[in-house]
Amino acid sequence: RKEVEQDPGPFNVPEGATVAFNCTYSNSASQSFFWYRQDCRKEPKLLMSVYSSGNEDGRFTAQLNRASQYISLLIRDSKLSDSATYLCVVRGNQFYFGTGTSLTVIP
Amino acid sequence: ETGVTQTPRHLVMGMTNKKSLKCEQHLGHNAMYWYKQSAKKPLELMFVYSLEERVENNSVPSRFSPECPNSSHLFLHLHTLQPEDSALYLCASSQVSGTGKGKLFFGSGTQLSVL
Repeated sequence: RKEVEQDPGPFNVPEGATVAFNCTYSNSASQSFFWYRQDCRKEPKLLMSVYSSGNEDGRFTAQLNRASQYISLLIRDSKLSDSATYLCVVRGNQFYFGTGTSLTVIP
Repeated sequence: ETGVTQTPRHLVMGMTNKKSLKCEQHLGHNAMYWYKQSAKKPLELMFVYSLEERVENNSVPSRFSPECPNSSHLFLHLHTLQPEDSALYLCASSQVSGTGKGKLFFGSGTQLSVL
């Protein structure tokens, strides 16, 4: 079983749409959770950490459900510039990465 | 800028060449990493140095040889690579203890092509 599982997509949404990505992890002892954004042939960049209480950064909202071992990312009012691959990352004794979910925002 | 500088950005090499990737972090972190990213696959951890000691080596072929002379610098020495080694190689750093523990910061990556 993979440590981190994500739906690879692709998600193709119109500008202004709301889109949600989900991620599950297998190790209940995992300590920290993150969403990273990766543009084509570039390095992953930290988008936001994910906390049990849920957290928001502008149009982005992240949620963590430790009981279900489930992480989500919600993007509201999608912009063309949001087109990228979104990586779910879980930290236990090392960092574990999902395969990423591809998002394309269409004009 | 993330505070992690990686060079070169692009590298084309033949199977008999020897080259090195270089990484430097300016964040005061105490751990550095090499990852490999192939198309459609998740990032694969190659090596971890924590407090300048190698703590992880995920069965990486010996044609990849890491070097960590101090907590700010990391190298990946490459020799007699195979075409299937073509990938994006990413350096990263993090703080593994004390305050600020947690997040991973990446260099810009080296897109490697082995001919």
